[in-house]
Amino acid sequence: EAGVAQSPRYKIIEKRQSVAFWCNPISGHATLYWYQQILGQGPKLLIQFQNNGVVDDSQLPKDRFSAERLKGVDSTLKIQPAKLEDSAVYLCASSFPGTATDTQYFGPGTRLTVL
Amino acid sequence: RKEVEQDPGPFNVPEGATVAFNCTYSNSASQSFFWYRQDCRKEPKLLMSVYSSGNEDGRFTAQLNRASQYISLLIRDSKLSDSATYLCVVKHNFNKFYFGSGTKLNVKP
Repeated sequence: EAGVAQSPRYKIIEKRQSVAFWCNPISGHATLYWYQQILGQGPKLLIQFQNNGVVDDSQLPKDRFSAERLKGVDSTLKIQPAKLEDSAVYLCASSFPGTATDTQYFGPGTRLTVL
Repeated sequence: RKEVEQDPGPFNVPEGATVAFNCTYSNSASQSFFWYRQDCRKEPKLLMSVYSSGNEDGRFTAQLNRASQYISLLIRDSKLSDSATYLCVVKHNFNKFYFGSGTKLNVKP
């Protein structure tokens, strides 16, 4: 079974530029998550989708971050304009909302450096 | 108060040692519990789920104490390859997952 796919794997941009990340979840997984992980910290949820609807975006900095999952499968996360503090790994994860014990699976992440 | 709290470590142990990590969670209505392992510059990967009765997978034992709201992970006979960061994860309703900041383990020869 194919895992969660993400691209690009690495991105270096200058502050105030824009950047977009792409995620393709595991087939059949209705729930998709975007996390931000800063070095030395655990993943922090940015946004959670159930199919193409947003379940939780309370920690998404909406003045600069946006995300969509138009057809309930692939998702994109955009940052515009980027700030230095956005340097982090952006992880996409997916889960099958079946039982309480179902867990989530992560993609390899996109490592963003903002100069 | 954070949803999930862990001692960041690092725990520096020799090969063959037994090491234990604890994690506390704040929401008594939490549904399920997991330990993830994260290697340097890699994504988190599921190590094991944690069941109320406790569960074991080879050298790894996980336990849950709902009354005290803590979860533990015991690693016996530590290997060099166990060196990683161990993330405690708690799941709430609506498939919401909360992560601890991780506990770093260094196993030395």
